[in-house]
Amino acid sequence: DADVTQTPRNRITKTGKRIMLECSQTKGHDRMYWYRQDPGLGLRLIYYSFDVKDINKGEISDGYSVSRQAQAKFSLSLESAIPNQTALYFCATSVGQGREDTQYFGPGTRLTVL
Amino acid sequence: AQKVTQAQTEISVVEKEDVTLDCVYETRDTTYYLFWYKQPPSGELVFLIRRNSFDEQNEISGRYSWNFQKSTSSFNFTITASQVVDSAVYFCALSEDRGSTLGRLYFGRGTQLTVWP
Repeated sequence: DADVTQTPRNRITKTGKRIMLECSQTKGHDRMYWYRQDPGLGLRLIYYSFDVKDINKGEISDGYSVSRQAQAKFSLSLESAIPNQTALYFCATSVGQGREDTQYFGPGTRLTVL
Repeated sequence: AQKVTQAQTEISVVEKEDVTLDCVYETRDTTYYLFWYKQPPSGELVFLIRRNSFDEQNEISGRYSWNFQKSTSSFNFTITASQVVDSAVYFCALSEDRGSTLGRLYFGRGTQLTVWP
């Protein structure tokens, strides 16, 4: 089984709908992240969480919210989806030990907002 | 300003050619970490390597090698004898060792490598 899973893998929705993307991990990592990828722009950080009680905004958090339900689960919500939120979304985890802190990514969720 | 620059948007080579992907970074920190990730056509992101700023040794892993040069702020990635399966988007990324931003990854925009048979 994959260490980092994301559901759904693909989602098509309409403008104005509320959408939740879920991420689960079995790596036992404390840190979790949400990124979005747009063609030609690389990955940009939306939110990150260093533990269950610690949630921080990334560089493009407007229009998004997150919930860290447990160490293993980190959900991303789009309260009212808009077409420019169409992108590939990645969840990542890391162990959180400074110099050994490599991020490992889930398979991605492709979201299309019509 | 971008912290990580991958000037090559697309590269095409023929199988068995060697190819180097360039990565230039910018940071004021003395301790930082550099990464390469591979994104094949299937879309997942695969971790390839992490290099710490205090370790300038080059690294070789099979057909892959990495050249880290602090003097030029570069962390280039070379694939020797390229294969069709190397076709992917490759991302370089930087992480700084600061308290407030520790662990955040700054990605370059990626280089699309196409290897033709």
